Amino acid sequence: DAKTTQPTSMDCAEGRAANLPCNHSTISGNEYVYWYRQIHSQGPQYIIHGLKNNETNEMASLIITEDRKSSTLILPHATLRDTAVYYCIVRVKDSGGYNKLIFGAGTRLAVHP
Amino acid sequence: DVKVTQSSRYLVKRTGEKVFLECVQDMDHENMFWYRQDPGLGLRLIYFSYDVKMKEKGDIPEGYSVSREKKERFSLILESASTNQTSMYLCASRPGTVNTEAFFGQGTRLTVV
Repeated sequence: DAKTTQPTSMDCAEGRAANLPCNHSTISGNEYVYWYRQIHSQGPQYIIHGLKNNETNEMASLIITEDRKSSTLILPHATLRDTAVYYCIVRVKDSGGYNKLIFGAGTRLAVHP
Repeated sequence: DVKVTQSSRYLVKRTGEKVFLECVQDMDHENMFWYRQDPGLGLRLIYFSYDVKMKEKGDIPEGYSVSREKKERFSLILESASTNQTSMYLCASRPGTVNTEAFFGQGTRLTVV
């Protein structure tokens, strides 16, 4: 299973870019990197995913290194509403061949005024 | 708007009771999942289902069972609730195609006393 490691917590000033790193050094060639976030008392919310090219959507950008061993989620202009726990996930296939999302502890991002 | 609905937001049950947690999705998704979330442990997969009447064990299935009689509904059953099953339970669904996002419900906070 490809595991991920993320910093436990980060701070960001409102209006600035939040750059959240993730290491996934054991990722294999066909495994995608997913990012979700969980705002307090709510279920996780999908943000973005990618394989090897950088991706951008209305919420964030995802930068994946060329060797695919790490990635960075970028929130270009963080707002107070972006305060949440951010999960970097690699989809893994279990022994039965089923795709599972395995969540780690995530990074607690605090956006402050 | 896509929707995953969990029947209860908060639930308090007694030790030894049989507990049913219900999850309904309106997106015609093939795959459905049950996770539990505990402080310091992140989200852990209990069971998942990739089709009606099909179920697979996740990482921590002990003490739980599931039922998927209809495509839109995935039930988590605690046959005899115990205090160590006090947790936040999250249901998710996604299409059967590979590498698609998962949608989560709001969660059920279960307390077993």
